[in-house]
Amino acid sequence: DVVMTQSPLSLPVTLGQPASISCRSSQSLVHSDGNTYLNWFQQRPGQSPRRLIYKVSNRDSGVPDRFSGSGSGTDFTLKISRVEAEDVGVYYCMQGTHWPPITFGPGTKVDIK
Amino acid sequence: EVQLVESGGGLVQPGGSLRLSCAASGFTFSSYEMNWVRQAPGKGLEWVSYISSSDSTIYYADSVKGRFTISRDNAKNSQYLQMNSLRAEDTAVYYCATRGFDYWGQGTLVTVSS
Repeated sequence: DVVMTQSPLSLPVTLGQPASISCRSSQSLVHSDGNTYLNWFQQRPGQSPRRLIYKVSNRDSGVPDRFSGSGSGTDFTLKISRVEAEDVGVYYCMQGTHWPPITFGPGTKVDIK
Repeated sequence: EVQLVESGGGLVQPGGSLRLSCAASGFTFSSYEMNWVRQAPGKGLEWVSYISSSDSTIYYADSVKGRFTISRDNAKNSQYLQMNSLRAEDTAVYYCATRGFDYWGQGTLVTVSS
């Protein structure tokens, strides 16, 4: 199974400042079809997860452009250019390249300093 | 508007059974592959099971294999998760999600306790 790790696991941020979350996979996430199936999710307190980014860097409809995804192979990053209060929550990366099983990272909790 | 609505959760004793349902609307359900994902209290996300659009392909996490059964009824725009031999570690909120995880339901809580 592909193991997903994230760092940091806790990220206190100042409003208006940037934030960055790292996600690493235990093996390359490049699929034989050439795509890299790495997604990012946001889960606000008390809510269901919401997909923010798919295939590394594609923002979902309605996701603010302050969120961006990058990376390749085994190393990926989610960046928030300027953190807003509504960004508080837990962020998960997920791989869908080598499945089953689909695997998620442990989550990174973002809160305001 | 796409909607996924789970139901069927509740309190069940260890060794018991429960059947979860997920009712879909706002999209052509019969064309969509679907998943179940769970989240134990205060923990992260765990993929549970997948079913193809025609239910010809089904996968399970090792943690539930042999105990859980996924199914769907395209005529009723619904998918199901039959959970047998439940254990305390199955306690979680269970989410229904589309194949690409672009849509999720609100979840239904399953508590396994005596």
